[in-house]
Order: sequence, then C-alpha cells, then structure tokens
Amino acid sequence: DSGVTQTPKHLITATGQRVTLRCSPRSGDLSVYWYQQSLDQGLQFLIQYYNGEERAKGNILERFSAQQFPDLHSELNLSSLELGDSALYFCASSARGSGNSPLHFGNGTRLTVT
Amino acid sequence: KNEVEQSPQNLTAQEGEFITINCSYSVGISALHWLQQHPGGGIVSLFMLSSGKKKHGRLIATINIQEKHSSLHITASHPRDSAVYICAVSKKPGGGADGLTFGKGTHLIIQP
Repeated sequence: DSGVTQTPKHLITATGQRVTLRCSPRSGDLSVYWYQQSLDQGLQFLIQYYNGEERAKGNILERFSAQQFPDLHSELNLSSLELGDSALYFCASSARGSGNSPLHFGNGTRLTVT
Repeated sequence: KNEVEQSPQNLTAQEGEFITINCSYSVGISALHWLQQHPGGGIVSLFMLSSGKKKHGRLIATINIQEKHSSLHITASHPRDSAVYICAVSKKPGGGADGLTFGKGTHLIIQP
C-alpha cells in the first residue's frame, strides 16, 4: 500500500460533462502530481502542486484544472469531456517535490467517456 | 525522437530466466525511476536512481550517467513478475517540467 488514495476508482460519463477526481497524498508528503495514461499517448505528466501552490505544468489541456487544498488533498477537474479523455488518471505524491524525491502512486481513476 | 527509449517493447521468457530491460535517455536528469504496472493498472515505484546500482530482493537496477543508460535486471524470474516495466526520468532543473518523462514500457511475460 503506497498510502496514496484516489477516488473514485471508476467513472463513466458522457461527452460534454465535467468530473472531479480526488487524491489524498501519503501522510507527510507535500507534493502531488497528476498523470494521464492513455492507450495512444502512454503516461504523461499533467501538473504538480507543492504545499498548495502550483509547481509545474506538463501536457495539461485548458479544459483541465487542478488544485491542492490546505489539508494537502488534491482535485483534478476535467470539463467539456471528449471521447479522447478516456484514460487512467494517476496521482502520485512525494515528500519534497523535487525531481529526486521518491514517488508514491495511487491506484488510479479509470475514466470512460461515452 | 522520444527522450526516453526502452527495449525490448515485449519480452516473453521462461520461469527462472535472468531478465534484462534497458532504458536510454537523451536529456540531463536528476533521477531515473523504474516503475512496475500490473494488469490491474496500479503503478508501483521499484527504484529511484541517480548513480550506481540498487538491489531489492531479486531486482537490480543500474545506471550509467555518462552513457545515459539504465538497466533493470530480474534474477530467477517468476510468473508473478509478469507486468509492464516503465522507465521514467526526472529532468534536471531548467530542463523541463518537473514531472516524470516516461518510456513506453516493456511488457514482460514469464511463463511457468
């Protein structure tokens, strides 16, 4: 058990809708990363937060946004959903948020857009 | 060209064989990660390396910073080792986003 909790495990929704994915980091970890894994693109970095502040952005679409709350949990909001947004979304946490800090992954949220 | 290349893409071996998965990268890194993903989808971090060699049970990971190359070895392979193994790098500060850059993964099947 990595200590990282993601909810929900599965989500099925229709095109055009908006969903929120939630991540609780491992106890003591200040940094949260969001990743997307799709069949055609593989794993891609979306965004990182450290202690409530956005630290780095990757290939995150403008339709997507995220935030990290004072209790350090994070939410990834996906809006105007398209079929191509169907993917596994992973959250990972680390203590320091630097590139050489060990990462702990959640089990992912599988999003299906119909 | 991808910044992180893995080989082979697919590997099928018999139980007990010594397995090697290779990873080459073309950017400056602060660390290299080896990840394991089972068919259920969850990702487990196996190793984080910035130099030398690490060992955990039957798994060994090595990195050569000068050659920009890393290998993951599995000794006495077992069917439960069947999974996708993913190499990922953390780029050096200023080299791009802090999140990991991933290889496409090596799909390993160990037959009994």
